[in-house]
Amino acid sequence: DIQMTQSPSSVSASVGDRVTISCRASQGISSWLAWYQQKPGKAPKLLIYASSTLHSGVPPRFSGSASETDFTLTITSLQPEDFATYFCQQAYSFPLTFGGGTRVEIK
Amino acid sequence: EVALVESGGGLVQPGRSLRLSCSASGFTFGDYAMSWFRQAPGKGLEWLSFIRSKTYGVTTEYAASVEGRFSISRDDSKSIVYLQMNSLKTEDTALYYCARDGIGDTFDIWGQGTMVTVSS
Repeated sequence: DIQMTQSPSSVSASVGDRVTISCRASQGISSWLAWYQQKPGKAPKLLIYASSTLHSGVPPRFSGSASETDFTLTITSLQPEDFATYFCQQAYSFPLTFGGGTRVEIK
Repeated sequence: EVALVESGGGLVQPGRSLRLSCSASGFTFGDYAMSWFRQAPGKGLEWLSFIRSKTYGVTTEYAASVEGRFSISRDDSKSIVYLQMNSLKTEDTALYYCARDGIGDTFDIWGQGTMVTVSS
């Protein structure tokens, strides 16, 4: 199984800050990585797929990048509605696996 | 409006069975693969099961944690995907979500979830 190691597990930030979340795959997954946002009591929402393609309706302050097995989600100019938990997911092979999540908290 | 609605959750004793349903609307259900996930209270997301569309033979995939106990199926005429859960364990307690595979095994539409509690 492909292990997804996500860091940090939590980050405190202020509105307007730039936030970076990392996800490392235990083996090569090409660009088969997605990022989701989840707010308390709600279902996950797809933000980015294919490591860097923004899903429809997602604000452009969200972006994704990749370097071999390392993937990054960047939120530029954090907004109040961005305080949530973020998960990465590899879509390269079954079983599909997720990172442990990163909670973005208000500083 | 595109939507998924799960149902069938509840309180069940260990060793018993439960069948979850996920009803789809607003899109051509038969064209899409579907998956089930779960999230234990305060924990992360766990993928459970996947079913391809008729075009791809309605083949299935399972996580090791549920293989042999859970079974996914679909009824395209009713736009429903099911998760039959047998031999339930206390560690199966979680919020169960269904989701649509919109783009290369990433999931663009999610239901609101249905809670399953396994306890004596």
